[in-house]
Amino acid sequence: KQEVTQIPAALSVPEGENLVLNCSFTDSAIYNLQWFRQDPGKGLTSLLLIQSSQREQTSGRLNASLDKSSGRSTLYIAASQPGDSATYLCAVSGTYKYIFGTGTRLKVLA
Amino acid sequence: GAGVSQSPSNKVTEKGKDVELRCDPISGHTALYWYRQSLGQGLEFLIYFQGNSAPDKSGLPSDRFSAERTGGSVSTLTIQRTQQEDSAVYLCASSLVQGKGELFFGEGSRLTVL
Repeated sequence: KQEVTQIPAALSVPEGENLVLNCSFTDSAIYNLQWFRQDPGKGLTSLLLIQSSQREQTSGRLNASLDKSSGRSTLYIAASQPGDSATYLCAVSGTYKYIFGTGTRLKVLA
Repeated sequence: GAGVSQSPSNKVTEKGKDVELRCDPISGHTALYWYRQSLGQGLEFLIYFQGNSAPDKSGLPSDRFSAERTGGSVSTLTIQRTQQEDSAVYLCASSLVQGKGELFFGEGSRLTVL
């Protein structure tokens, strides 16, 4: 049974810092891994999708990496801003079902 | 439509009443998912539809919960005889290809059972 863990559960950093969020999964037989952002009271917004054959994806200040063999993914946020404050979730997909981690709650202090 | 649309955005009901939550996926997306997010909790898988195939109902918490997808597009999640523990945000998502495509979420329906 696939399990997804995100560490840390919460993180508070000063504006401008570079930071790394971690996601680990127990079953390496995945099709893809997706990172999402969730603002309070809102749905999930897709940030990056990494297919199983890929090692990383980049979008603006965000970079996500995937190491299937070790069951790990990282989301790197460069030069963090207060607007980055949100909960970040990762999800992995098997045959069809997406399994989510419980998220990292990020607060960027101005 | 441009994105996944859910209605109502908020629903307050009394214990014992039935509720219906609606999801309109992105046009052309064949896969549709329902998840539940309770306060401070992660996303709990409820049900999955793929085209005209039989849905995967393995995540439905009780027989009070049911869902249908008509014409391969709009889906309705029905909760009968609501209980206070049903209070949560119900999120719908769709993807172009089952399990392999990017997943897109709606804004969710917040259900409060008094």
